[in-house]
Amino acid sequence: EVQLVESGGGLVKPGGSLRLSCAASGFTFSSYSMNWVRQAPGKGLEWVSSISSSSSYIYYADSVKGRFTISRDNAKNSLYLQMNSLRAEDTAVYYCARDSDGSGPVDYWGQGTLVTVSS
Amino acid sequence: AIRMTQSPSSFSASTGDRVTITCRASQGISSYLAWYQQKPGKAPKLLIYAASTLQSGVPSRFSGSGSGTDFTLTISCLQSEDFATYYCQQYYSYLQTFGQGTKVEIK
Repeated sequence: EVQLVESGGGLVKPGGSLRLSCAASGFTFSSYSMNWVRQAPGKGLEWVSSISSSSSYIYYADSVKGRFTISRDNAKNSLYLQMNSLRAEDTAVYYCARDSDGSGPVDYWGQGTLVTVSS
Repeated sequence: AIRMTQSPSSFSASTGDRVTITCRASQGISSYLAWYQQKPGKAPKLLIYAASTLQSGVPSRFSGSGSGTDFTLTISCLQSEDFATYYCQQYYSYLQTFGQGTKVEIK
């Protein structure tokens, strides 16, 4: 069974940093591109970042480019999101999400971890 | 970035109704479009990809159509478990984008 379990969320002050992790199991992690998608309270879905299976290709939404860094460790079946210079508008549930076939649609999602940026 | 616009933003319907949700892309995206269903407090669920291909395990009352810039999601006979919010997503661009969502409520 495919499982994606996020951790690392919490309350952080504006300008602070946080690192999210996603532990993957039930599939060959190293064969899949992965994504982070977020959802602000009461709002819609926003794609944040993608990383290819071998980390060769990395993409970011304009809203986080230069502040967030996506990475992965295939030996540990783990995905990460380093978030720096956090702003109030980064407050959201962050989902770890598996790309179904390397081209985009997400077929599995984690349960999400809440990041709150507030003083 | 490619902008995805869904319509309507919300509407009320009854069990048994046929409902259609529209998604329009700001530029052509071929058939690189997916539809997701999300219920409160839950992660989204993939319903359709490649504009019209049903994800494994998704009931056949869901269907998708369209290509280029205009797409539709149709639920042929609305069931109680279908009351949720639906999102379209383009993955034509590496900078993926979602529509703003369509909430289907009980009439």
